[in-house]
Amino acid sequence: GAGVSQSPSNKVTEKGKDVELRCDPISGHTALYWYRQSLGQGLEFLIYFQGNSAPDKSGLPSDRFSAERTGGSVSTLTIQRTQQEDSAVYLCASSLYRRNTEAFFGQGTRLTVV
Amino acid sequence: TQLLEQSPQFLSIQEGENLTVYCNSSSVFSSLQWYRQEPGEGPVLLVTVVTGGEVKKLKRLTFQFGDARKDSSLHITAAQPGDTGLYLCAGAKEDKLIFGTGTRLQVFP
Repeated sequence: GAGVSQSPSNKVTEKGKDVELRCDPISGHTALYWYRQSLGQGLEFLIYFQGNSAPDKSGLPSDRFSAERTGGSVSTLTIQRTQQEDSAVYLCASSLYRRNTEAFFGQGTRLTVV
Repeated sequence: TQLLEQSPQFLSIQEGENLTVYCNSSSVFSSLQWYRQEPGEGPVLLVTVVTGGEVKKLKRLTFQFGDARKDSSLHITAAQPGDTGLYLCAGAKEDKLIFGTGTRLQVFP
């Protein structure tokens, strides 16, 4: 079916507000990643979900960040009390749980905190 | 701690020049992937190398995996403006992909 879908594509929010970013992975992909990309920079790992295993949250920068994945499919990344330094593009990727498999990325959500 | 370091971080060259991008780590990976990201898009896979010493060619792009599976290189021959973008290496470790710091390439006509 379709590729990885992220929504919204753009989000402008006021400092201190909470935001939710959504990711719809490719059907059947059990692995899901969230990354953050600041302007002109590489990818910063945030969190990794694999099937029913406990997620790898080692990349979350603070306790204001959380993510969940419902039913092994859709994932939501929540940022509470947003700060200006949270402004970035948030990318979601999914893949099959298989060695050396390809990660498919969504187009990202551009978050701007004003 | 960044597991995968890429160099150079930025590269601006003229059309027709050759270039090499390096991806280095102290860790061993089961495979190494290279992605290219264009503005406003997510990264897209270019190639996966699996065997130590493996060399793969994709038109003007040559990818090599180090013998010890800790590093990789991407060589572009006769670069073109269409090669402009962010190049990312990614290592597979414990079935999770770890991305490098990225190399931003700009090719001027």
